[in-house]
Amino acid sequence: NAGVTQTPKFRILKIGQSMTLQCTQDMNHNYMYWYRQDPGMGLKLIYYSVGAGITDKGEVPNGYNVSRSTTEDFPLRLELAAPSQTSVYFCASSYTREDGYNSPLHFGNGTRLTVT
Amino acid sequence: AQSVTQLDSQVPVFEEAPVELRCNYSSSVSVYLFWYVQYPNQGLQLLLKYLSGSTLVKSINGFEAEFNKSQTSFHLRKPSVHISDTAEYFCAVTRMDSSYKLIFGSGTRLLVRP
Repeated sequence: NAGVTQTPKFRILKIGQSMTLQCTQDMNHNYMYWYRQDPGMGLKLIYYSVGAGITDKGEVPNGYNVSRSTTEDFPLRLELAAPSQTSVYFCASSYTREDGYNSPLHFGNGTRLTVT
Repeated sequence: AQSVTQLDSQVPVFEEAPVELRCNYSSSVSVYLFWYVQYPNQGLQLLLKYLSGSTLVKSINGFEAEFNKSQTSFHLRKPSVHISDTAEYFCAVTRMDSSYKLIFGSGTRLLVRP
């Protein structure tokens, strides 16, 4: 199994450009997440999804959009890139059971984005 | 709301010395607690977790953490560190009733020197 795969690994954007960060998982996990990691700030949740067709905002959703048309894929869209969005972005997934158990998160290796 | 505080941004230590990475949390409801480790240029990996039961939890590579409810702490310890333990360590908390939403601390970089 590949686990959680993120592409691209690195990207440089100009202010105002748009791009989509791709995330796919092959573990049939129902939950997926996008986090951003800024130096000295830990990880902040941007958006999450509890299943195909369902998404919800996390702590820092402004400037981002997501969609979840399939169980496997959870792309993150930046419409008008701003310098404040320079960060490392991590996608993660987990599964839940009917008894309420949530598995630990499985993370991808990250996308390093610079907006200049 | 929940929050996590990791007071030490960096902890330098010599190889084979003991180490403690501190984590304190605040929450008005019951929580689950986690330690994740991040090696350079990689995503985070679960190191250990406290869900219920024994307050002392251990990982397969010699780390342990103790849940202390009265002090709202979940400090991570290892009696003897290796060079390969050099990484960033994140403490995280989640509410028991929405345990898929993790709140992370700011991280502690463990730097093990020979």
